[in-house]
Amino acid sequence: NAGVMQNPRHLVRRRGQEARLRCSPMKGHSHVYWYRQLPEEGLKFMVYLQKENIIDESGMPKERFSAEFPKEGPSILRIQQVVRGDSAAYFCASSPPGQGVGSYEQYFGPGTRLTVT
Amino acid sequence: DAKTTQPTSMDCAEGRAANLPCNHSTISGNEYVYWYRQIHSQGPQYIIHGLKNNETNEMASLIITEDRKSSTLILPHATLRDTAVYYCIVRPSGGYQKVTFGIGTKLQVIP
Repeated sequence: NAGVMQNPRHLVRRRGQEARLRCSPMKGHSHVYWYRQLPEEGLKFMVYLQKENIIDESGMPKERFSAEFPKEGPSILRIQQVVRGDSAAYFCASSPPGQGVGSYEQYFGPGTRLTVT
Repeated sequence: DAKTTQPTSMDCAEGRAANLPCNHSTISGNEYVYWYRQIHSQGPQYIIHGLKNNETNEMASLIITEDRKSSTLILPHATLRDTAVYYCIVRPSGGYQKVTFGIGTKLQVIP
């Protein structure tokens, strides 16, 4: 069972360009989470999605950032008109559906390192 | 924001037990204690979790105090590959997981 896959692993964009980050969850997982990690900082929650639905986007910047998780295909985190402050590692995690009472862990991908020049 | 407090850094000699403390004095009855680690430049890796009983798996042991206000992650025989940032997180059972990571403890295993 392949783990969470993210691509590209490294992405370089000039200021003003668009960045598209992809995340393929583990097989059978229908919950996807995106996190951002600035240099020397902890991971910050951005958004939680289920198939075709955004459940919680409270950690997403109000402008330029969007996320989707279509019925078919990977989850996409899109950053429009990137600025230098967007340079960070972006991690995706997935978890299986149907959690009830109890606990369960998230499985993280290797991350995409975005550098804005 | 993180509801846990951890030391910023720790050293441990290779082959010895690494004991990583975590304070979570405001933990509520339905919240679990989770531990993840992040090896340099990689995604976080789940280690172990518990509610109130001590837990052990192939990676580590988790000791939770009786009042649940603190816990200790134990790596019984630390190796150089255990050098990483270790995150202690509390979160409720059920529902979805909006995990909040703090700064964590940077564990350096020394040869």
